[in-house]
Amino acid sequence: GAGVSQSPSNKVTEKGKDVELRCDPISGHTALYWYRQSLGQGLEFLIYFQGNSAPDKSGLPSDRFSAERTGGSVSTLTIQRTQQEDSAVYLCASSLAPGGGRGTGELFFGEGSRLTVL
Amino acid sequence: GQNIDQPTEMTATEGAIVQINCTYQTSGFNGLFWYQQHAGEAPTFLSYNVLDGLEEKGRFSSFLSRSKGYSYLLLKELQMKDSASYLCAVYSGAGSYQLTFGKGTKLSVIP
Repeated sequence: GAGVSQSPSNKVTEKGKDVELRCDPISGHTALYWYRQSLGQGLEFLIYFQGNSAPDKSGLPSDRFSAERTGGSVSTLTIQRTQQEDSAVYLCASSLAPGGGRGTGELFFGEGSRLTVL
Repeated sequence: GQNIDQPTEMTATEGAIVQINCTYQTSGFNGLFWYQQHAGEAPTFLSYNVLDGLEEKGRFSSFLSRSKGYSYLLLKELQMKDSASYLCAVYSGAGSYQLTFGKGTKLSVIP
């Protein structure tokens, strides 16, 4: 498709279960980001991919969170043993190139995956 | 660390002009972005500034002063559809590719 695609759009899970969230970036975009947005909060950076490698994973809140990217395209964010505080909207974004730069550094966001942990 | 400050909420009248301020303290600087986010939707790109001065794009303009760590987004001829959150975000550069976001300013446009 033309934009960033995320699935599922909504996920309700029980505390302690594992969840996987998927992101399909814009074709040709080498940089891919995961952010988390909780109610009333700003976008919280989680991890950044350049190609298949993750040079910056400093935002992952705990070792329950992991992410991978394959083929320089699709990315999966996995949350193990979910907790109620993990409830949030998880946003994926891609850009032509990392860092700033007119025409290349803009992030294009997907619609997000809303996670609710009961 | 990185710190980006914006007012939490603003209200303005349809047809008027509103200015949304953003101040930042970051370890470096490699560009500032403004995004618009309607409730329940993804953020969408509005503007990018990397040099000092004013960038104009239709009804929207964005200003940057790097020495003051300050930016503003100016919205003219406000329309009801401009009711949204406006997010200021900064690339700190220096080997980091994180785009750090402020908490956003919720703008309500009233008739």
